[in-house]
Amino acid sequence: GEEVAQTPKHLVRGEGQKAKLYCAPIKGHSYVFWYQQVLKNEFKFLISFQNENVFDETGMPKERFSAKCLPNSPCSLEIQATKLEDSAVYFCASSQEESLGYTFGSGTRLTVV
Amino acid sequence: AQSVTQPDIHITVSEGASLELRCNYSYGATPYLFWYVQSPGQGLQLLLKYFSGDTLVQGIKGFEAEFKRSQSSFNLRKPSVHWSDAAEYFCAVGARNKAAGNKLTFGGGTRVLVKP
Repeated sequence: GEEVAQTPKHLVRGEGQKAKLYCAPIKGHSYVFWYQQVLKNEFKFLISFQNENVFDETGMPKERFSAKCLPNSPCSLEIQATKLEDSAVYFCASSQEESLGYTFGSGTRLTVV
Repeated sequence: AQSVTQPDIHITVSEGASLELRCNYSYGATPYLFWYVQSPGQGLQLLLKYFSGDTLVQGIKGFEAEFKRSQSSFNLRKPSVHWSDAAEYFCAVGARNKAAGNKLTFGGGTRVLVKP
């Protein structure tokens, strides 16, 4: 399809629980990106993929965050042992080539209580 | 490291009036430049982008932006604002150096309120 599909739209987790977010990029787009938007509108880059391979993971808090993009499956972002400060909207985006302007999904709002 | 500054956190404009949103960036060379709009509870929609060539870029919804290298700016404009333009606007830059990664760096956003 022509949209980046993110599921679920909303996710509530108790502190310490696991959270898993999914992203289906636009077909034919070889780059996938994850961003975290916190309440003050700051966008933080987390990770990018080129096809199934990690391209840039400099933004990932590696001790609890992990991400995958496997063939024929939605990409996923997983947070082990969530903390209150993980509450944010997580956006996935995809692009055909790097730096051509992404198409963003509508985001997953994660609330950690 | 690249950075993006949007000096105005909020702008209120009357419907039908013109709008200009400021964006300044810091980068060693000319980056890729983007403007996105985010409506409440929605994702980001690309309004326009600049890679090279004509420094005045036309986008969707009647928006345009002008790249000024000497001022490291990429300001967004619309001649006549509609109530549906009320949203959050984000300027973003991307590095041209592939080795530096292809992530975008976003400004802090400008919230536009439209008065009837």
